[in-house]
Amino acid sequence: QKEVEQNSGPLSVPEGAIASLNCTYSDRGSQSFFWYRQYSGKSPELIMFIYSNGDKEDGRFTAQLNKASQYVSLLIRDSQPSDSATYLCAVYINQFYFGTGTSLTVIP
Amino acid sequence: GAVVSQHPSRVICKSGTSVKIECRSLDFQATTMFWYRQFPKQSLMLMATSNEGSKATYEQGVEKDKFLINHASLTLSTLTVTSAHPEDSSFYICSAGPDSPLHFGNGTRLTVT
Repeated sequence: QKEVEQNSGPLSVPEGAIASLNCTYSDRGSQSFFWYRQYSGKSPELIMFIYSNGDKEDGRFTAQLNKASQYVSLLIRDSQPSDSATYLCAVYINQFYFGTGTSLTVIP
Repeated sequence: GAVVSQHPSRVICKSGTSVKIECRSLDFQATTMFWYRQFPKQSLMLMATSNEGSKATYEQGVEKDKFLINHASLTLSTLTVTSAHPEDSSFYICSAGPDSPLHFGNGTRLTVT
């Protein structure tokens, strides 16, 4: 059973729309949750991390964590073409576990 | 924020040769460094975890004699791909810890011809 699961997509949204990316995890002992953005041919860059249930906002990005349902999501408001990338969800349980990523395309 | 430098960014080598990749933490002491490999359109796969001054811990299926990891100081870890073959062609990425969140180096694109 995979530790972290993401819909591989591709997910396409028009420019200016809200992009919603979802991630589920299997281990209830998970404590830390991360979202990374990876452009093609580049290494991942950290967007946000969240530890507590609820929402955490940073600019156009909002991370949502629901430990009871074991999911974490990332909302991108006012999506821009430059947001087109693969988004990786990561969970920390003694080590980092990464999902396979969701490919997002923002259409101008 | 924390910065991790990885070098080289791109390398092409002939089959049978060895390649060394360096990973440096620039503004913090990294007691733990992680080495990942990523094949096209796949997620990051952890290869090994190295702790300063001790032997690396390899993930199942990763040949420790082929992928030599040295973590001699708190700011430098190296990965050497020995006797490289075309199937070793991949994107290798290091990250430094142990504190979360992880910060990644820029990655090394290895092509073995």
